[in-house]
Formats: sequence, C-alpha cells, structure tokens
Amino acid sequence: AQRVTQPEKLLSVFKGAPVELKCNYSYSGSPELFWYVQYSRQRLQLLLRHISRESIKGFTADLNKGETSFHLKKPFAQEEDSAMYYCALGSTGANSKLTFGKGITLSVRP
Amino acid sequence: EPEVTQTPSHQVTQMGQEVILRCVPISNHLYFYWYRQILGQKVEFLVSFYNNEISEKSEIFDDQFSVERPDGSNFTLKIRSTKLEDSAMYFCASRRDSSPGANVLTFGAGSRLTVL
Repeated sequence: AQRVTQPEKLLSVFKGAPVELKCNYSYSGSPELFWYVQYSRQRLQLLLRHISRESIKGFTADLNKGETSFHLKKPFAQEEDSAMYYCALGSTGANSKLTFGKGITLSVRP
Repeated sequence: EPEVTQTPSHQVTQMGQEVILRCVPISNHLYFYWYRQILGQKVEFLVSFYNNEISEKSEIFDDQFSVERPDGSNFTLKIRSTKLEDSAMYFCASRRDSSPGANVLTFGAGSRLTVL
C-alpha cells in the first residue's frame, strides 16, 4: 500500500529563515515523489519532482530511499512562499495514481 | 499553458439530489482522475479512467458515484444521491501517458460541492 506522511500541519517562519517541510513515504515499488503547492484560492500545481532533481523557486527536495523521505527545503523563505504544500507519491505503471500526504501550511511572516 | 477546466466552480444541492461535475482535461492527455478534499482534510483519490473505462477506484467511490467520458472531451463525475458527507472540493486531473517522465498530473481548479 502507498502511504505518505507529513507529520506537521503548520510551519510558521520569518522571511529569510530556512524552511524544511518533512515528508516520509511507504511504498513497496520504485517510488516517484512530488511536491505540489496550492497558493491561496488557486489550484494544486506541481512544484517539483524527484526525478528532475531541479530547484524551483529556490526549493529543493532530495529523495532518500534509506530514510524513505523526500523533505522539501529552501534556505531563505519569502513571503510569497506562503501556501499549502502537499507531498505526493506516484505509483508506477499504467494505472499510476498519486497518493497525497495531509499537507502542511507554510506561513512566512515579514 | 494548457489547463484542466472544471465546472461548476461551486454547487449547492439538497441531500438526495443528483450532481454532475464536469471536467475538460488537457486535449492530448489519456489518463483522467477525480480526487476530493473534504474541508481541512487531505486530497483523496477517488477514481482513475483510461481508454473509456475505470482503471482503479478507491473505497470512497461506491455505487453512488460514476464517471463518464461522453463525447471525447468532457470527463464527468456523477453523484447519484448526494449525502451531507459528500460536501467537499472535487478535483479533476489528467496525465499525458504512462511513459517515464509523463507521470505528472495536471489539476483543475476544483468544484466545491455543498450538500445541505
């Protein structure tokens, strides 16, 4: 069974502070991990995926298979980063679907 | 940039009424999904659809739910007899294909359903 755990519901930081949003997963196959973001009153949108290994809006996430984690990090938070962040696990194959974590609200204060 | 379009954005209905939520996926996408998010809870998978049939459904997707792709562009979710607990935001999503690198879902803005 696929499972995604985001242990915290809310993270509040000041502008310029580092951010780490935690995500752990459980999956018997080869996982694909994603971070989706939902800004206020907007749709869910892909932030980044582990196979791209890229930095988007200053965010990075490294897949650690030993710890089954895919934590999202940013060294210096900006106010516009305030949003809901969802970690998601994609199963492989034709019937692939995403399993989401509960999400975490990131609040960046000026 | 192509988008997944959902209508209505908000629907209020009486318990026991039928509701149809509509989605227009991205035109060259082949896999379609419905997810829902009850207020304050996580985004939950309902159903996936490919080649005009359901690929997988969750235990939430009981006999009250059905999906259809009636005309090659729309992808609909029907709730036959709504219950109070069906109140949620319903998200449609689509994916291009199953090849590596294409396993990215594009989501619509959602349809908020309120059952009174």
